[in-house]
Amino acid sequence: EVQLVESGGGLVDPGGSLRLSCAASGFTLSNAWMIWVRQTPGRGLELVGRIKRKTEGGTTDYTAPVQGRFTISRDDSKNTLYLQMNSLKTEDTAVYYCVTHLMDVWGKGTTVTVSS
Amino acid sequence: VVMTQSPLSLPVTLGQPASISCRSSQSLVNSDGNTYLNWFQQRPGQSPRRLIYKVSNRDSGVPDRFSGSGSGTAFTLEISRVEAEDVGVYYCMQRTHWPRTFGQGTKVEIK
Repeated sequence: EVQLVESGGGLVDPGGSLRLSCAASGFTLSNAWMIWVRQTPGRGLELVGRIKRKTEGGTTDYTAPVQGRFTISRDDSKNTLYLQMNSLKTEDTAVYYCVTHLMDVWGKGTTVTVSS
Repeated sequence: VVMTQSPLSLPVTLGQPASISCRSSQSLVNSDGNTYLNWFQQRPGQSPRRLIYKVSNRDSGVPDRFSGSGSGTAFTLEISRVEAEDVGVYYCMQRTHWPRTFGQGTKVEIK
């Protein structure tokens, strides 16, 4: 069964950092482009960014609200995707989902709360 | 690309049809000829689940009472006969243009 499991969410102060992980199983992560999506009650579903497979350069793209603060990376040997979040703002408070590029598989999400 | 759904709230009687509209601010026809418009269902307390891809293709396991249609900038998700398990929020999403963007969501509830 194809599965994505996020972890690493929690409560963090504004300006702080957090790293989310996404463990993939049931498929070979190295073959896949992957994305991170977040969801808030106010802004709904919002793309965070994407990472291409290594054979296509492993390059990343981000949306404007997180550009320069968030970094997506992958460790294909561990079948794990990461989202490093720095300089966190209160508006980054959301449920973060790890999703396959075609959006046919979603994790259950992990909650990030940025608050003092 | 801005995705606009209507209505935002849709009370429906069990067994009756339901229809959700989604309009995009730009054409979603890609240079490869495909139209990358998806529909997602999010049941209470669950992650979104893809129902429809490329306008009208149902995902495996999705009941055939769900259908998608449309072209260019106007799209529709239809439920032929609403069942209790269909309660939730439905989102359209485009991935023709970067960044992919979602509609605001339509909450389907039983009257």
